[in-house]
Amino acid sequence: DGGITQSPKYLFRKEGQNVTLSCEQNLNHDAMYWYRQDPGQGLRLIYYSQIVNDFQKGDIAEGYSVSREKKESFPLTVTSAQKNPTAFYLCASSTGGIRDEKLFFGSGTQLSVL
Amino acid sequence: KNEVEQSPQNLTAQEGEFITINCSYSVGISALHWLQQHPGGGIVSLFMLSSGKKKHGRLIATINIQEKHSSLHITASHPRDSAVYICAVTPFVFGKGTRLSVIA
Repeated sequence: DGGITQSPKYLFRKEGQNVTLSCEQNLNHDAMYWYRQDPGQGLRLIYYSQIVNDFQKGDIAEGYSVSREKKESFPLTVTSAQKNPTAFYLCASSTGGIRDEKLFFGSGTQLSVL
Repeated sequence: KNEVEQSPQNLTAQEGEFITINCSYSVGISALHWLQQHPGGGIVSLFMLSSGKKKHGRLIATINIQEKHSSLHITASHPRDSAVYICAVTPFVFGKGTRLSVIA
C-alpha cells in the first residue's frame, strides 16, 4: 500500500545532540513537508520541498535542517541549536503544487529531551 | 492574531447529535482543508474545497469565500467521530483544532 512512513515513533534527545527523523513516501509525490505540533497549538511549517535537491524554510526553520536527495525521502535533523525540541513532528506529502493539493500525512514522531 | 480561527475549541456531544465546527480565516485562499487527527496523532484529509459544499457520508463541509468562513458538519454523530478536527489553508497555515468527544 502507498503511504508515508515516519520513524521512529518515539525519540529521545540528550543535551547538545543532533537527532534525525526519517520520512519516506512511496506515493510518487513531488512535494514534502515537515510540521511541528505543540499541545494546544496548530501545526507549524518547518521546511518544505517541492522537488528533489530543493527546499524552502517555513515559519520555524531555526534549529532544524533538511535534505532532499531522493524523491522518496525527506529527513529532518533537529540540531543542538533548537533549544526547545520537545514536540510532535509530522511529515506530509502532496502530488506537486503547494496550493490546492490534498495532503497525506505520516503517523508522526514524538521527540522528547532527556 | 492567528490567521485561521476555529470554534469551539472543545465540544462534547451525545451520540446522534448534529455537530457543527466553524472556521474563519483572514488570508486570501484558493482552497481550504478540513483534517481529522485521531488520538494516536495520525492525520487524514477529509475535504478540500474552494466553493460551495462537499459531502462524504455523514460529513458535510461548506465554504463562503466572500465571508471567509467554513463549517464542518457531522450528522448522526457516533463515538468513533471523536477526534481533533483541523481547519487549514494548507500547506502553510493551520487552525488550532477542535477537540470533539462523542459520548454513547
